[in-house]
Amino acid sequence: DAKTTQPPSMDCAEGRAANLPCNHSTISGNEYVYWYRQIHSQGPQYIIHGLKNNETNEMASLIITEDRKSSTLILPHATLRDTAVYYCIVRDGGSQGNLIFGKGTKLSVKP
Amino acid sequence: GAVVSQHPSRVICKSGTSVKIECRSLDFQATTMFWYRQFPKQSLMLMATSNEGSKATYEQGVEKDKFLINHASLTLSTLTVTSAHPEDSSFYICSARAFTRAVTEAFFGQGTRLTVV
Repeated sequence: DAKTTQPPSMDCAEGRAANLPCNHSTISGNEYVYWYRQIHSQGPQYIIHGLKNNETNEMASLIITEDRKSSTLILPHATLRDTAVYYCIVRDGGSQGNLIFGKGTKLSVKP
Repeated sequence: GAVVSQHPSRVICKSGTSVKIECRSLDFQATTMFWYRQFPKQSLMLMATSNEGSKATYEQGVEKDKFLINHASLTLSTLTVTSAHPEDSSFYICSARAFTRAVTEAFFGQGTRLTVV
């Protein structure tokens, strides 16, 4: 079973920041938080990951609470092409096993 | 990042025939690849773990004789859906892990939309 909880859907206006929350209250010390997204009829795409510090890359920012029980993915300026299902996954960073996908959040960016 | 290529992206076949889907890691070697299936409006569900040079490991409820997996090299895994039926119509996705950015990351193929008529 997935170890994360996400809202099923969210809307965001084009050009505004999209903030996607994720709860992972049972995360253990060696587990990272990964975010992937899946645009319709495509394979999932890696976005970002983090352990305890906030992270930023060219796609997004990841804010992890100090107790690591929740995190927020931030798309600073959402575009229509960011419409997708976003998955938050926690797992050991060195694990060679598969990813377990929950239901994710369907983000709809509207003009 | 690492690239995983999946082929074909879309296939339509008749009931009773077999379909082969290929998954290649283009710029890295993958001793392990994963095959997922995704039905409409549902999340990805792991079908099997493909191990180079050995037998695949199937998840509970997945018929190994129906979904044949071959991982003959470090860059290629194939999934063959044998004697396909309409209920096998689904979106099939492969994944391979690579160690980058200090952690193992999963890279996914583009997916294969299988329609059995």
